[in-house]
Amino acid sequence: DQQVKQNSPSLSVQEGRISILNCDYTNSMFDYFLWYKKYPAEGPTFLISISSIKDKNEDGRFTVFLNKSAKHLSLHIVPSQPGDSAVYFCAASALQGSNYKLTFGKGTLLTVNP
Amino acid sequence: NAGVTQTPKFQVLKTGQSMTLQCAQDMNHNSMYWYRQDPGMGLRLIYYSASEGTTDKGEVPNGYNVSRLNKREFSLRLESAAPSQTSVYFCASSTDSPEAFFGQGTRLTVV
Repeated sequence: DQQVKQNSPSLSVQEGRISILNCDYTNSMFDYFLWYKKYPAEGPTFLISISSIKDKNEDGRFTVFLNKSAKHLSLHIVPSQPGDSAVYFCAASALQGSNYKLTFGKGTLLTVNP
Repeated sequence: NAGVTQTPKFQVLKTGQSMTLQCAQDMNHNSMYWYRQDPGMGLRLIYYSASEGTTDKGEVPNGYNVSRLNKREFSLRLESAAPSQTSVYFCASSTDSPEAFFGQGTRLTVV
């Protein structure tokens, strides 16, 4: 059973427009959510996160929204740039003992066209 | 700062061969992790170590063993490689927060 779901395998947008990537989760114990960006042949890099006590977190062009009642989060990129083209992974975490373990979605390939 | 360093970057094994994937971090992080990434599957946790001297199974531990040699190093061993273990392996580390830092990955092919 997939606890973190990214239902769109791919998304294509025009440069300068908004990119919206979506993520759903099923485990109510998750209390921290993260987005990672991955270029080919590189490791994932942390992009932005949000705690379950918030509903929005913003960092420059990137904003993450969390709707706890719907168990849904989204990543908004405005304006989108060609360099944003990458695979974006949604991840969720719950503290277990002294350790955080991340559960990842399958990823969404974002292509930003010039 | 090198961050998280994985060796080797590429490896081809024959079925039944063994090998160890090495991982080292220089960020003084307590927790370290091994993930595998398969096409269409996202990243799945194999094993993790919350601190030096402790290891625990993740979502897909079968066929693997790990060693937390010291605070810096966390190795992943395949005792008898199988084609199903063909994957890209990522090591990661974190401090007392959920944000994990990943290495560049090891692309393993088992023929």
